[in-house]
Amino acid sequence: GAGVSQSPRYKVAKRGQDVALRCDPISGHVSLFWYQQALGQGPEFLTYFQNEAQLDKSGLPSDRFFAERPEGSVSTLKIQRTQQEDSAVYLCASSLLQRELSGANVLTFGAGSRLTVL
Amino acid sequence: DAKTTQPNSMESNEEEPVHLPCNHSTISGTDYIHWYRQLPSQGPEYVIHGLTSNVNNRMASLAIAEDRKSSTLILHRATLRDAAVYYCILRDVDFGNEKLTFGTGTRLTIIP
Repeated sequence: GAGVSQSPRYKVAKRGQDVALRCDPISGHVSLFWYQQALGQGPEFLTYFQNEAQLDKSGLPSDRFFAERPEGSVSTLKIQRTQQEDSAVYLCASSLLQRELSGANVLTFGAGSRLTVL
Repeated sequence: DAKTTQPNSMESNEEEPVHLPCNHSTISGTDYIHWYRQLPSQGPEYVIHGLTSNVNNRMASLAIAEDRKSSTLILHRATLRDAAVYYCILRDVDFGNEKLTFGTGTRLTIIP
């Protein structure tokens, strides 16, 4: 497709359940990002991939959060034993990696997956 | 990444120009200035970016101060569809991590 696709758009989970959120980036985009956005706040960085390599996971809030991108395209963000504080919109973004223009690279975001933990 | 400061909110009348300010007094020589906006219930979308010179595209213009310590996003003729949160972000060259660091942005309200 032309844009970044995320599924599901909405997910309701009971506290303690595991959830998996999927991201289909733009074809050919090397870089992939996950962000978490709480209500009324700006997006907060979670993790970053170049192809299948997870180069930065410094924003993952706990070891209950896990992300993977095994073939360098589709990515999954998994949250184990969900807690109420995990309720947020999870945004995925992708971009080309143009080393000579690194500071100018543009991110394309998906519409997000809204997670509500009851 | 160096920090930016934006007003929390602004209002503008429809069909009038809008000037959204951003202060970045600690900007480094290699920082690009990026603007993204987020419409309700959508992910952020790219608006414009620049390094030193003013920039124009079909969405907006970016005016960068000569000392680069501030910039202004200009929407030439605001419409109701421009109501969104606008984020000003500095981005350094980092081949190992292309991430953007968002602040809280400016919530722009357009008055019909």
